[in-house]
Amino acid sequence: AQSVSQHNHHVILSEAASLELGCNYSYGGTVNLFWYVQYPGQHLQLLLKYFSGDPLVKGIKGFEAEFIKSKFSFNLRKPSVQWSDTAEYFCAVTNYGNNRLAFGKGNQVVVIP
Amino acid sequence: EAQVTQNPRYLITVTGKKLTVTCSQNMNHEYMSWYRQDPGLGLRQIYYSMNVEVTDKGDVPEGYKVSRKEKRNFPLILESPSPNQTSLYFCASSLWGGTLAKNIQYFGAGTRLSVL
Repeated sequence: AQSVSQHNHHVILSEAASLELGCNYSYGGTVNLFWYVQYPGQHLQLLLKYFSGDPLVKGIKGFEAEFIKSKFSFNLRKPSVQWSDTAEYFCAVTNYGNNRLAFGKGNQVVVIP
Repeated sequence: EAQVTQNPRYLITVTGKKLTVTCSQNMNHEYMSWYRQDPGLGLRQIYYSMNVEVTDKGDVPEGYKVSRKEKRNFPLILESPSPNQTSLYFCASSLWGGTLAKNIQYFGAGTRLSVL
């Protein structure tokens, strides 16, 4: 079964700092990759996705992610965070052949003004 | 407005008292799914459905039941809730594209359940 790893569960940083969250998955075949964001008290919202093509994908709110197939990774980045980026971030992967999302355990990001 | 609607949003119950959490989507999606979210564990899939009358177990199905009698609805049933089912539950839906499904799952607002 597909498994997804996210490291550094709790991240605290100051406004304007750069953010990078790592995501690694286990299944080496064809996958779809997602980052979801959950703001405090809210439901999950799609931040960005990768299906095929350019491995550097851009999402909403200045986030981007890079798919590196050889490393089974899909890391999320933002050059300069804002207080409003305080949220929990989840990496998710679907396997070839089904639509089942496997989630990582999430990164709780706190941005200090 | 396209949305996934869950009810209730908050529920407190006691051990053993049957309950149902409803989920409805208005996007004509084939695929629907239930997840539970627990601190430090992320989201884990409970059950999913690829279409009407087609359901299957996810990663943590014990203690839960589902049904898919209509395309838009996918209720989650706890026949005899226990305290370890205290959690935040999310319903999601998407199109179902088959083998290389380029489908995005849309999530409901969540149901916070406490079982005493």
